Amino acid sequence: GAVVSQHPSRVICKSGTSVKIECRSLDFQATTMFWYRQFPKQSLMLMATSNEGSKATYEQGVEKDKFLINHASLTLSTLTVTSAHPEDSSFYICSGTGPGAVSSYNEQFFGPGTRLTVL
Amino acid sequence: AQSVTQLGSHVSVSEGALVLLRCNYSSSVPPYLFWYVQYPNQGLQLLLKYTTGATLVKGINGFEAEFKKSETSFHLTKPSAHMSDAAEYFCAVDTGGFKTIFGAGTRLFVKA
Repeated sequence: GAVVSQHPSRVICKSGTSVKIECRSLDFQATTMFWYRQFPKQSLMLMATSNEGSKATYEQGVEKDKFLINHASLTLSTLTVTSAHPEDSSFYICSGTGPGAVSSYNEQFFGPGTRLTVL
Repeated sequence: AQSVTQLGSHVSVSEGALVLLRCNYSSSVPPYLFWYVQYPNQGLQLLLKYTTGATLVKGINGFEAEFKKSETSFHLTKPSAHMSDAAEYFCAVDTGGFKTIFGAGTRLFVKA
């Protein structure tokens, strides 16, 4: 149990366009979802935390107008990279947690990640 | 502030040898500690976690880790490495605020 999916797994887009990444909890209600960014050969950097029905809380240095996060339901959160530029190219990973997940407190369940390449 | 330090960005072992990946943490409150594994172009998979209770934690794929409060460490071990263990390993700490801080990661290479 506690499976998180992401779509798409890979996306290539032109500079200036917007890209939406979906994160779904398949068998539990994710009251909280997290979005991370991972640069090559580096660790995960938390971008934002979103609670269902509330505005996302962004980490310092993350542009909220550039990285739009929506968590409209207990099973879906989306990250939209607006006006993407080559420096936004990265691996984006979401995770979720919440009641019903087969876990103890504070365990997050991670999606498989989305590789974004901006040309 | 909480932090996680993984000693050694790369570790190389021979197949069948002991795997030891080091992790030290800093936390002002009792931490929850995690080890995750990441294969290329994939998300993170939980190997094991320490929350409370027994300090020696057993995880999947034969891995285990011991929480040593006096040393603020949570090193990951496996008695005998397999080729399939080659991956990136992340130690992480969560102090109860649903905010997980990850170490920089250690890439494990397994030689035949």
